[in-house]
Amino acid sequence: DAGVTQSPTHLIKTRGQQVTLRCSPKSGHDTVSWYQQALGQGPQFIFQYYEEEERQRGNFPDRFSGHQFPNYSSELNVNALLLGDSALYLCASSSRGRTLRQPQHFGDGTRLSIL
Amino acid sequence: DQQVKQNSPSLSVQEGRISILNCDYTNSMFDYFLWYKKYPAEGPTFLISISSIKDKNEDGRFTVFLNKSAKHLSLHIVPSQPGDSAVYFCAASAHGGSQGNLIFGKGTKLSVKP
Repeated sequence: DAGVTQSPTHLIKTRGQQVTLRCSPKSGHDTVSWYQQALGQGPQFIFQYYEEEERQRGNFPDRFSGHQFPNYSSELNVNALLLGDSALYLCASSSRGRTLRQPQHFGDGTRLSIL
Repeated sequence: DQQVKQNSPSLSVQEGRISILNCDYTNSMFDYFLWYKKYPAEGPTFLISISSIKDKNEDGRFTVFLNKSAKHLSLHIVPSQPGDSAVYFCAASAHGGSQGNLIFGKGTKLSVKP
């Protein structure tokens, strides 16, 4: 039973560039959330996708956008990269169809470095 | 303004003894609380959770206690093992967990000495 998978594992970009990160949810899950984890901090919620729509958004600028595909996989896009966007980007999946009180399961993340 | 706080950045415990990790929260709308464990170069791994309608949940060596009046929860690990050495994150949700965002603390680094 495959867990949450993310690609790539590492990425180096320069300021002003654009980046796309990818996520496949755990088997049986239909909801994908994205988090940003800066060094020494806990993960911060970016947004959540369900039924191919953004359902909830955290306090992140419009430079951060996403997409969910019919197979429930998801992409996170960041435009006009800033040095402060350097972080670990985590994808988490869950199932909205089941009971509300269940955990989100995380992938191993994509380490994004901005030069 | 941090809604979930883990005030101890680190904790060192001897193998076989109890580890107690603490977490405080401010939002009374939170109805579901979780603990995650994180090793370096890996994503957070779900450990244990508790609903706001309970005050205790146990799973093997791990027990989570919730004190709603004090807005405080704790994770007890008994007995502690060297493999438990990791960063532990407390998280809370106002939407039951699967929907909406999880609010995380900054984490506590646990070191279990042999």
